Amino acid sequence: NAGVTQTPKFRILKIGQSMTLQCTQDMNHNYMYWYRQDPGMGLKLIYYSVGAGITDKGEVPNGYNVSRSTTEDFPLRLELAAPSQTSVYFCASSRDRGSNQPQHFGDGTRLSIL
Amino acid sequence: GEDVEQSLFLSVREGDSSVINCTYTDSSSTYLYWYKQEPGAGLQLLTYIFSNMDMKQDQRLTVLLNKKDKHLSLRIADTQTGDSAIYFCAEGVRDNFNKFYFGSGTKLNVKP
Repeated sequence: NAGVTQTPKFRILKIGQSMTLQCTQDMNHNYMYWYRQDPGMGLKLIYYSVGAGITDKGEVPNGYNVSRSTTEDFPLRLELAAPSQTSVYFCASSRDRGSNQPQHFGDGTRLSIL
Repeated sequence: GEDVEQSLFLSVREGDSSVINCTYTDSSSTYLYWYKQEPGAGLQLLTYIFSNMDMKQDQRLTVLLNKKDKHLSLRIADTQTGDSAIYFCAEGVRDNFNKFYFGSGTKLNVKP
């Protein structure tokens, strides 16, 4: 079982460039999430989705966009990369809404903006 | 917003017990979680406790919850070098959308 798969694992971008971080899950989970983890900090929720075709903003959505055309995929797009977006990005999924449904995480994408 | 706080570092000797502490602020939390993050990897769920429980034991792991003080702890018995990692506390908050709030993580260093 692959679980949650993120690509790429590492990326360096120049200021102003754009890119898409890919996330896919094979567990048929309805809920998917994008977090960023800054050094010494906890995870901050960027965007989430409760099902295909439905997305909503989390705590720190500025500078990002998402889409959810299928249950499996939840890509995160950076349109104009800024140094403040240097971070480790984690995608996660959970089966359902209940808070007893733990989130399953990918291994992360380490992104540097120079 | 919700604040989940943890101490940043803990160092123990192999074979000792480790206790990692966490405090949270939202009284409407329903479940509280402990995740483990090894270097270069994502977060792995270790255990969780429902907010109306005081204690949960799972092999070497014991979770204690003091709901009155909003204090959660994770005890690892017989700590091994393989337990060295960052441990995150998280709370699940009942909402229209169930939200999770994470602490900043406690880095556990186990000395041989």
